[in-house]
Amino acid sequence: QAQLQESGPGLVKPSETLSLTCIVSNYSIDLGYYWGWIRQPPGKGLEWIGHIYHTGNTYYNPSLKSRVTMSINTSKNQFSLKLSSVTAADTATYYCARVTSTVRVDPWGQGTLVSVSS
Amino acid sequence: QSALTQPPSASGSPGQSVTISCTGTSSDVGYYNYVSWYQQHPGKAPKVIIYDVTKRPSGVPDRFSGSKSGNTASLTVSGLQTEDEADYYCNSYAGNNNYVIFGGGTKLTVL
Repeated sequence: QAQLQESGPGLVKPSETLSLTCIVSNYSIDLGYYWGWIRQPPGKGLEWIGHIYHTGNTYYNPSLKSRVTMSINTSKNQFSLKLSSVTAADTATYYCARVTSTVRVDPWGQGTLVSVSS
Repeated sequence: QSALTQPPSASGSPGQSVTISCTGTSSDVGYYNYVSWYQQHPGKAPKVIIYDVTKRPSGVPDRFSGSKSGNTASLTVSGLQTEDEADYYCNSYAGNNNYVIFGGGTKLTVL
């Protein structure tokens, strides 16, 4: 069973870039599937950020596209998220996850809370 | 692309059945049979309980079932148990421009 774990700073200053990495274990990410990022502001619902294929093809939420960059490192079995020019509205728990071609999201990482504050 | 529409809350007594709706458009829910449902307990990551509209992952009780009619997908929980109290979210594929959208979530209370 694949396991995913997010890592990165829990606090980012406004206007800076949020950077997170998702380490995948018990599954080789170059075997297929998409690898995605989803966020959840405190007390609110889920928002799709985007996903990346092992070939490097990316698919971003149009509302975030101008600020999002995703990358994948098959040799380290991990993938990453960068979100630029963050504001307080980007404060959320960020989840990484495996995604099928029919957008089944499973499994999920445990999530990491990122706060944007000076 | 707007989020899929779910009722903010639903409730039922133990043993009863409850149905949660997830309404989209003819470009997402109505067009593709790619709707999944997720259960999220407080402080935990979501867990898939239904995928491809009606399929249930191994280990998920058959009390959970999914269906779709037109632009609306539905999750039915039969024989409610106290541990079913959680937030439930749907998601759907939304085509090549928007890819994936989530519903706003429904808080299920077991009275």
